[in-house]
Amino acid sequence: EDKVVQSPLSLVVHEGDTVTLNCSYEVTNFRSLLWYKQEKKAPTFLFMLTSSGIEKKSGRLSSILDKKELFSILNITATQTGDSAVYLCAVEDSGNTGKLIFGQGTTLQVKP
Amino acid sequence: DVKVTQSSRYLVKRTGEKVFLECVQDMDHENMFWYRQDPGLGLRLIYFSYDVKMKEKGDIPEGYSVSREKKERFSLILESASTNQTSMYLCASSLTSGGWDTQYFGPGTRLTVL
Repeated sequence: EDKVVQSPLSLVVHEGDTVTLNCSYEVTNFRSLLWYKQEKKAPTFLFMLTSSGIEKKSGRLSSILDKKELFSILNITATQTGDSAVYLCAVEDSGNTGKLIFGQGTTLQVKP
Repeated sequence: DVKVTQSSRYLVKRTGEKVFLECVQDMDHENMFWYRQDPGLGLRLIYFSYDVKMKEKGDIPEGYSVSREKKERFSLILESASTNQTSMYLCASSLTSGGWDTQYFGPGTRLTVL
């Protein structure tokens, strides 16, 4: 059975800390891995990763994929209270049009 | 700006009632999806549709049905609501090509079944 597992499930840090969120997957027909940030409403897209070893970066956020070991990490440096959210990892199944398999999410709380 | 709208933000229904959740997108997207989100379980796919009148079961279709009569509208139907269907329901839409960075989510409907 295809699955995506995120760790930790929750995390509390202080402003300025660096955090690393993990996502491992077992998906038969892997096409891409996506990271989303969800605050109070719907998830918003952060990154899409398709190739191993190529870091994607956006401001203080960065992410990398390892297709050999089947995992991805999302790094957030110099965290701010506005980074508090649920971070979702999803893997696109190329065998099923458009299907995304989501992990449980990591709830990040950044304290002032 | 792509917009995905859902008919209600909050809904309270009684056990056994028939419930309709509506989703509309304005970008001529081919694919539309219904997910439910529960604490500790993440987002789980209920049904998806890749064309008008086409539908495919997701991971947890039991107790749900869907309708896609027009390209822009995808409805989720709970034939006889039960308390274990209390959840946050998210609709999403995407293009057929261009990568999944173009998937857009609606604001969600928080459904409570009493």
